[in-house]
Amino acid sequence: GENVEQHPSTLSVQEGDSAVIKCTYSDSASNYFPWYKQELGKRPQLIIDIRSNVGEKKDQRIAVTLNKTAKHFSLHITETQPEDSAVYFCAASIEGGSEKLVFGKGTKLTVNP
Amino acid sequence: GAGVSQSPSNKVTEKGKDVELRCDPISGHTALYWYRQSLGQGLEFLIYFQGNSAPDKSGLPSDRFSAERTGGSVSTLTIQRTQQEDSAVYLCASSLAGTTYNEQFFGPGTRLTVL
Repeated sequence: GENVEQHPSTLSVQEGDSAVIKCTYSDSASNYFPWYKQELGKRPQLIIDIRSNVGEKKDQRIAVTLNKTAKHFSLHITETQPEDSAVYFCAASIEGGSEKLVFGKGTKLTVNP
Repeated sequence: GAGVSQSPSNKVTEKGKDVELRCDPISGHTALYWYRQSLGQGLEFLIYFQGNSAPDKSGLPSDRFSAERTGGSVSTLTIQRTQQEDSAVYLCASSLAGTTYNEQFFGPGTRLTVL
């Protein structure tokens, strides 16, 4: 079955710097890759997603890139702010299949003011 | 509109007891998922419902775990003879399956502690 690896497990940056989180997946049939943000004590919330027919997607300060050949995808946050501090999870699924999400173990991002 | 809700928010039980966790999905969402989040870990898939049927139960860790969904809405996850390793946050999610956009919306979770 699908396996998703996520790195790093913790990331600390200064406010205004960029942050990059990387994930790899094992099942070449996976075609949907969402990123969720989970603030302390709160539910995970989708922040951006990408489908396998595109290589990059941007939404203001966040962007996701996908390399299907290498089976990896990355989250990029620019101009980080303290409110970006949270745990970020990448996931993979096969749209049109069971649609279950297979998650990475998460990255705890700390943005220092 | 109302999001996904779960109850109870916290449950403390003794080893060996049975527990029931409830999920109310967003109205009109036909797909419902249960995940488990252990401390410091990612979210682990348990079971997926499409309507009232469960085409994917592959994540249930043992036969002590079962789930049902009635009326295409509310779902209950039951854990029998709880063990300490069952302690985790149990998250439910729903999505508007059948479309090309399958964002899963999560509930707040039930924190289960088995003493």
